[in-house]
Amino acid sequence: AQTVTQSQPEMSVQEAETVTLSCTYDTSESNYYLFWYKQPPSRQMILVIRQEAYKQQNATENRFSVNFQKAAKSFSLKISDSQLGDTAMYFCAFMKLFYGGATNKLIFGTGTLLAVQP
Amino acid sequence: GAVVSQHPSWVICKSGTSVKIECRSLDFQATTMFWYRQFPKQSLMLMATSNEGSKATYEQGVEKDKFLINHASLTLSTLTVTSAHPEDSSFYICSAANRDQVNIQYFGAGTRLSVL
Repeated sequence: AQTVTQSQPEMSVQEAETVTLSCTYDTSESNYYLFWYKQPPSRQMILVIRQEAYKQQNATENRFSVNFQKAAKSFSLKISDSQLGDTAMYFCAFMKLFYGGATNKLIFGTGTLLAVQP
Repeated sequence: GAVVSQHPSWVICKSGTSVKIECRSLDFQATTMFWYRQFPKQSLMLMATSNEGSKATYEQGVEKDKFLINHASLTLSTLTVTSAHPEDSSFYICSAANRDQVNIQYFGAGTRLSVL
């Protein structure tokens, strides 16, 4: 069974600074996807970034980038130039690749609550 | 694009009554929908996976007769909490997957259920 671990329950960063959130996972699968989702106080889940395991290049989305280390099963999220609106719970998630055109379930970590301080 | 609407956003009901929550994909066809439950300050717990036209697949420990899931069309799935009790009070979230992008789930805004 797959597991996702986020070892930082809470983190704090100053506005405009850079912060890195950690995530490790355990799987015997070779093909899978990894995600970071953001859940602000509104509780709406928002996709931040995703990474296909077969791609060696780290995914980036504007101020958000990941450090994907497949051998180490590590998938950290770096937020550059932190903004007050980045304050949220961040969840790391794993999805096994499902052949046949269907969608597999997401396995979530326990989350990291990020507070961006003015 | 890829908008998922969940309704209602908040519902209060008396113990023993049933409550239905709707999840709609507004601008895409969702072959698969998922239902999650989230307790305060905790992660999302998958309750069931719903494929259009098929019976839902429930996760271990989730009562099928308690949480009825219907996915009758490619744009609508419903979760009915039957004979609700205070311990069913929680935040319920649905997600939907676009058949053209099977590796991404789009989430509804969630429903807060309070059972008195």
